[in-house]
Amino acid sequence: AQTVTQSQPEMSVQEAETVTLSCTYDTSESNYYLFWYKQPPSRQMILVIRQEAYKQQNATENRFSVNFQKAAKSFSLKISDSQLGDTAMYFCAFGLGSSGTYKYIFGTGTRLKVLA
Amino acid sequence: DTAVSQTPKYLVTQMGNDKSIKCEQNLGHDTMYWYKQDSKKFLKIMFSYNNKELIINETVPNRFSPKSPDKAHLNLHINSLELGDSAVYFCASSPPVGWQFFGPGTRLTVL
Repeated sequence: AQTVTQSQPEMSVQEAETVTLSCTYDTSESNYYLFWYKQPPSRQMILVIRQEAYKQQNATENRFSVNFQKAAKSFSLKISDSQLGDTAMYFCAFGLGSSGTYKYIFGTGTRLKVLA
Repeated sequence: DTAVSQTPKYLVTQMGNDKSIKCEQNLGHDTMYWYKQDSKKFLKIMFSYNNKELIINETVPNRFSPKSPDKAHLNLHINSLELGDSAVYFCASSPPVGWQFFGPGTRLTVL
């Protein structure tokens, strides 16, 4: 079965500090994408960062970066210089399949609170 | 311009009623999805359509019927609403391979 596990239901971090959200997944596929989505209180799902599984280099998007360990099936998200606007639910997900039949599986989410 | 739109954003109704949620995307994507997010924020896929054809149907009760009149629209019709149907429903679309674009969600409350 393909699963995504986020073992930290809730986390908090002081403003301007760094926090890492963990995610592990399970799949027997070799080609897939990994994603982190953010869901603020407005409930809009916003893509934070994505990583193609065939790329060894970790993706970076401004203050957000990932640590992708393919062999360990781990995909953690690091948020540097945390800001109050980073307060949200964060979902790890992976997508796999072929064109037109792509399927996405989401983790249960980590609620992150940035403290002033 | 809104990429993926859903109407209505809020829906309050009585048990036993039938309701529809509409979704439209202007991104030119072939694939669209419906997700249900429960009170614990768990996001579960319900359906996916590719170019108007049903691809994924994840053991959803047959009271839920998606309809795709064209590849830019994927509507969700729910018959005989139950209390357990209360949730936020998200529509999304995606290119052939890549990330999904989500709509703003529809909060359905069944009384």
